[in-house]
Amino acid sequence: QQQVKQSPQSLIVQKGGISIINCAYENTAFDYFPWYQQFPGKGPALLIAIRPDVSEKKEGRFTISFNKSAKQFSLHIMDSQPGDSATYFCAASDNAGNMLTFGGGTRLMVKP
Amino acid sequence: NAGVTQTPKFQVLKTGQSMTLQCAQDMNHNSMYWYRQDPGMGLRLIYYSASEGTTDKGEVPNGYNVSRLNKREFSLRLESAAPSQTSVYFCASSANLGYTFGSGTRLTVV
Repeated sequence: QQQVKQSPQSLIVQKGGISIINCAYENTAFDYFPWYQQFPGKGPALLIAIRPDVSEKKEGRFTISFNKSAKQFSLHIMDSQPGDSATYFCAASDNAGNMLTFGGGTRLMVKP
Repeated sequence: NAGVTQTPKFQVLKTGQSMTLQCAQDMNHNSMYWYRQDPGMGLRLIYYSASEGTTDKGEVPNGYNVSRLNKREFSLRLESAAPSQTSVYFCASSANLGYTFGSGTRLTVV
């Protein structure tokens, strides 16, 4: 039973374009939503995270948009660069414990 | 550098062989995890340990055992490897929801 659904599975974007990855969750107790970035041959690393008290968080070219009523959140990568080519995972957790539930991942390729 | 160290990085096993994947963290984190990553399947939790001396099953525990040797070390054992266990295995540790992952072990069972 997948509690966090991520789409698309793969994404190809031209350099300079906007990459958008979407996630939807079911558990209304979730209150922490991070995104992880994974380069080939490496483990995932925390990229950016949001809590539901805000609707948007921006760090450089990366922005999380959060829609609590729709139980959806998304990652936007502005001015996408070839160096952004990686697999991206959304995740969610509730305040009952420290465990994250991960989405299925999105493989992003940014073409030069 | 502080972080999560996994050994080995690569391993090929024959069906039925056993092996232990090692993981150690030096960040004094209480919680540690083992995940497997398969194409199109994302990260699936095998086992986790919320604190030293405790372990619990995750989403896909069958065919695996774990040991939380001390606060630093959390090992994953395959008693009788099967081709279905061919995967990339990641260990992670966390404090306050901040997960740190190791660089992975690529395991092939033939």
